Amino acid sequence: ETGVTQTPRHLVMGMTNKKSLKCEQHLGHNAMYWYKQSAKKPLELMFVYNFKEQTENNSVPSRFSPECPNSSHLFLHLHTLQPEDSALYLCASSQAGLAGSYTDTQYFGPGTRLTVL
Amino acid sequence: KQEVTQIPAALSVPEGENLVLNCSFTDSAIYNLQWFRQDPGKGLTSLLLIQSSQREQTSGRLNASLDKSSGRSTLYIAASQPGDSATYLCAVRPRLTSGTYKYIFGTGTRLKVLA
Repeated sequence: ETGVTQTPRHLVMGMTNKKSLKCEQHLGHNAMYWYKQSAKKPLELMFVYNFKEQTENNSVPSRFSPECPNSSHLFLHLHTLQPEDSALYLCASSQAGLAGSYTDTQYFGPGTRLTVL
Repeated sequence: KQEVTQIPAALSVPEGENLVLNCSFTDSAIYNLQWFRQDPGKGLTSLLLIQSSQREQTSGRLNASLDKSSGRSTLYIAASQPGDSATYLCAVRPRLTSGTYKYIFGTGTRLKVLA
C-alpha cells in the first residue's frame, strides 16, 4: 500500500457532467503531480504543484482544472469532458529538492479509471 | 525535445530466465533516470533511480545501468519469476530550468514470466 491515495478508483461520467478526482498523500512531500495514462501512449504529465503553487501546466485543455489547497491534497475538477479523455488518471507526490537538487523519487497513487460516455 | 523509447514493447519468457529491458532517450542532458513497475490497472511503483553521475543501481534481483552519453539505460532482471510479470516503465528527468519537476516516460515493456 502506497502513501498516496486516490478517490474514486473508477468513474463513469457523461459529457455534460461535472466531477472531481481527489488525491491525498501521507508522505510529507511538497510536490504533487497529475498524469494521464491512455492506452498505448506514454504517461503524460498534466500538472505539477510545488509548495501548493502550480509550476507546470502541460498544455492541458481548460476542461481540466486542478486545485491544490495544501501540500497534502490535490484535486482535478472535470467538466464537459470528451470521450477521448477516458483514461487512467494518476496522482504522484515527491519531496522536491532545493534549487540544484533533483534527486526525488515519485510515489504514485493507484489511479482513477475514468470513462467518458 | 526529449523522447524516451522502450524496446521491446512486450516480452514473454520462461521462469528462471535472466532478461534485459532497454530504454533509450534522445537528449543526454538529464538529472536522473527512474525505472518503474506497473501492475494492470494500478499505479506505478518506483524500482530504481539512477542519478546522472551514476552508472548503475542495484536492488535485489534488479540492476539498472545508465550510459548517459549514448542515451541508454538497461534494466536487468535475474532469475525471473511469475511475480515479475508487469509493465516496466522508464522515465527521465530532463535538465531543464530550475523549478521544473518533469519526468518524460516511455511507453513501457509489458513482461510476462511463464511458470
